[in-house]
Amino acid sequence: QVQLVQSGAEVKKPGSSVKVSCKASGGTFSSYAISWVRQAPGQGLEWMGGIIPIFGTANYAQKFQGRVTITADESTSTAYMELSSLRSEDTAVYYCAREGYYYDSSGSPFVYFDYWGQGTLVTVSS
Amino acid sequence: NFMLTQPHSVSESPGKTVTISCTRSSGSIASNYVQWYQQRPGSSPTTVIYEDNQRPSGVPDRFSGSIDSSSNSASLTISGLKTEDEADYYCQSYDSSKSLYVFGTGTKVTVL
Repeated sequence: QVQLVQSGAEVKKPGSSVKVSCKASGGTFSSYAISWVRQAPGQGLEWMGGIIPIFGTANYAQKFQGRVTITADESTSTAYMELSSLRSEDTAVYYCAREGYYYDSSGSPFVYFDYWGQGTLVTVSS
Repeated sequence: NFMLTQPHSVSESPGKTVTISCTRSSGSIASNYVQWYQQRPGSSPTTVIYEDNQRPSGVPDRFSGSIDSSSNSASLTISGLKTEDEADYYCQSYDSSKSLYVFGTGTKVTVL
């Protein structure tokens, strides 16, 4: 059974950076992309970006371009999300999620978030 | 990017049926599969529907999904409502032109 275990809650000052980790177990880490999704208090889910560990290339939502860096360490099966220039609006729960890769009845591939981490609360406050 | 719009909330009595819509703002709803995630308070999301209408193992058949090209929307139907179904539900799809994932605005389901 795949498990994604994230690092603990963080409290950060405005203008600083935060780095959240997501350690995978029970599956083939390198072959599946890992995405990061955040959820501000009382708000919906927002995709931030993702990475395919075996390729090491990340893809980011335009909103976070230049402020977010997603990396992966295949040796420890861990993905990381670093968000810089933090502001109060970045206060949120940050989730990692595995992009499960499947094939439909016609043999075409598709992806959905089949496993999620437990979430990491990041609070930005002076 | 396209948007996925859902009703803010729906409520119904135990044993009844609710249907949640998810309307795509531009592009065809059929161009990329739609998933539905359930998020109970304080918990991470879990998948209840993938590939428009498929249920992961362990999800009861009270949950069903569909798409309607005429209204450019997807729907999640929960029949035989139970108190444990009270949660937030999010639809999700993929924007192939920009290689990014899009979540719906979310719907709070209340079982009265």
